[in-house]
Amino acid sequence: QQQVKQSPQSLIVQKGGISIINCAYENTAFDYFPWYQQFPGKGPALLIAIRPDVSEKKEGRFTISFNKSAKQFSLHIMDSQPGDSATYFCAASGFNKFYFGSGTKLNVKP
Amino acid sequence: GAVVSQHPSWVICKSGTSVKIECRSLDFQATTMFWYRQFPKQSLMLMATSNEGSKATYEQGVEKDKFLINHASLTLSTLTVTSAHPEDSSFYICSAELGGGGTQYFGPGTRLTVL
Repeated sequence: QQQVKQSPQSLIVQKGGISIINCAYENTAFDYFPWYQQFPGKGPALLIAIRPDVSEKKEGRFTISFNKSAKQFSLHIMDSQPGDSATYFCAASGFNKFYFGSGTKLNVKP
Repeated sequence: GAVVSQHPSWVICKSGTSVKIECRSLDFQATTMFWYRQFPKQSLMLMATSNEGSKATYEQGVEKDKFLINHASLTLSTLTVTSAHPEDSSFYICSAELGGGGTQYFGPGTRLTVL
């Protein structure tokens, strides 16, 4: 059973627009929800993370919205830039493991 | 802070040889490190969890005799791909856990090509 489901698989956004990526998780025991950004040929880089005791966390242009009752969380990238073009992975942590989503390839058009 | 390095960044080897990949946490100590494998355009697949001073815990379907993991210190874990075959060609990424809070920091990855 897939523990974390991520959508969409790919996303095209115009420069200056808002990019929204969604994830849903299965296990209510998960207690840490990070987002990673990965460029081709590189390892994932931690972007922002949230714990279930808050509903939103904002760092610069990046915001996580967390809905505990729905078991969903999302990443919002405000004022998207071409340099944001990358693959984004959500994850949920529990039982000493990370469970990754399938990834979203974001393309920000100039 | 929280920098993880991997060496080498890429390696090409002949079928049947062994390859060792190093993962180092440069500015923090990591009791737990993780090894992942990533195929093109796919997500990360956890291979094993490496704990300092003890045996690694392998995920189902991962051959422990083929992928040898050693976590000899709080800053170094190694993955050795033994008797490598072309199907082992992949992007291998390690991560190190900072503190006990679950945050993982990833290395830059190692591209392995087996001819």
